[in-house]
Amino acid sequence: DVKVTQSSRYLVKRTGEKVFLECVQDMDHENMFWYRQDPGLGLRLIYFSYDVKMKEKGDIPEGYSVSREKKERFSLILESASTNQTSMYLCASSEGGKNTGELFFGEGSRLTVL
Amino acid sequence: AQSVTQLGSHVSVSEGALVLLRCNYSSSVPPYLFWYVQYPNQGLQLLLKYTSAATLVKGINGFEAEFKKSETSFHLTKPSAHMSDAAEYFCAAVRSGTYKYIFGTGTRLKVLA
Repeated sequence: DVKVTQSSRYLVKRTGEKVFLECVQDMDHENMFWYRQDPGLGLRLIYFSYDVKMKEKGDIPEGYSVSREKKERFSLILESASTNQTSMYLCASSEGGKNTGELFFGEGSRLTVL
Repeated sequence: AQSVTQLGSHVSVSEGALVLLRCNYSSSVPPYLFWYVQYPNQGLQLLLKYTSAATLVKGINGFEAEFKKSETSFHLTKPSAHMSDAAEYFCAAVRSGTYKYIFGTGTRLKVLA
């Protein structure tokens, strides 16, 4: 069964802390994505990566960075967490190329910043 | 700019009634279109996708959607709602040759006994 695994389902952090959200996929997918989901706003793209060590900004990259050192792993980093980054974070992957294929999602990481 | 609009953030139907969730896209070039479902505390999973092969697309769990270019719509339907259909549904679009999937704001479906 294909799988995208997000290491932490629930996190509580304090303002100013550095936060790492990890995502691993076992489908040998080229593309990986980080989305933020907020009520009434749908999913908004933070960053995506189409290859190892390659990354591109999405619609809301401010306050976030990413790392993709290995094909299967895509990490989202909040350098200094703020309360407005309290949200559900969803990782997704898809097959290579600028394709029209399905996105496979992890179960999400719900982050609360106090 | 491309956008996806879902009419109705909340929809309630009785068990056994028709489910209709609306999605309109805004694009000069018809995109590829998707419907995803999200159950509580889970990620999104694909219900169905339109990739220009056929205008009527059948998906999992008895759902289907029809692409209407003239109306720029891709509405999701199911003839008879089941309690297990209660979830949030997202319409999404991506233009061929891009990585950027655009999601609607979601419609939460409630099924009444």
